[in-house]
Amino acid sequence: AQRVTQPEKLLSVFKGAPVELKCNYSYSGSPELFWYVQYSRQRLQLLLRHISRESIKGFTADLNKGETSFHLKKPFAQEEDSAMYYCALLAYSGAGSYQLTFGKGTKLSVIP
Amino acid sequence: KAGVTQTPRYLIKTRGQQVTLSCSPISGHRSVSWYQQTPGQGLQFLFEYFSETQRNKGNFPGRFSGRQFSNSRSEMNVSTLELGDSALYLCASSRGQVSYEQYFGPGTRLTVT
Repeated sequence: AQRVTQPEKLLSVFKGAPVELKCNYSYSGSPELFWYVQYSRQRLQLLLRHISRESIKGFTADLNKGETSFHLKKPFAQEEDSAMYYCALLAYSGAGSYQLTFGKGTKLSVIP
Repeated sequence: KAGVTQTPRYLIKTRGQQVTLSCSPISGHRSVSWYQQTPGQGLQFLFEYFSETQRNKGNFPGRFSGRQFSNSRSEMNVSTLELGDSALYLCASSRGQVSYEQYFGPGTRLTVT
């Protein structure tokens, strides 16, 4: 079965400091990985996905299949980055269906 | 376009009762997934429907069930409520057969007393 691990429940950084939110996964197939974000009082929304290889709001994430990781990085944290971040894995679950498995999330707090 | 809507937003029930939650996906989206979110377990997948068929089910007891209508609207039902069912229930919709990008609703906060 697939598994997503986010080792940090809470990460506090100062404004302007680099940010790295860790995500490790376990999956026997070819992984599709995502980062979702939930700002205060807002809905959960997609931040980025690895196949698009894009930078959103200054965030990037690289899939490392050797280390089975998909860490989210930003060189300079902003106060508006404070939110809950979830790493998610899309895995094939048979009969033509896929299932999105989420990690438990990391709360990022950016200190002014 | 309008986002995913969920009704009701808040619900208080007592143990043993049953509850039905509703989700209206974004227009044109045919896949609807349901998740349970709790502080301890995070987001856990309940089930997914596509074109009125349940394609996938998470590891939840049979008390949790759902269905999808021809207009893609979905309902989930929890029977014989337990205190541990208190959670935020999230619905997400996506366009196609593979749920690459899921659009989430605001959730229904269920409290079981």
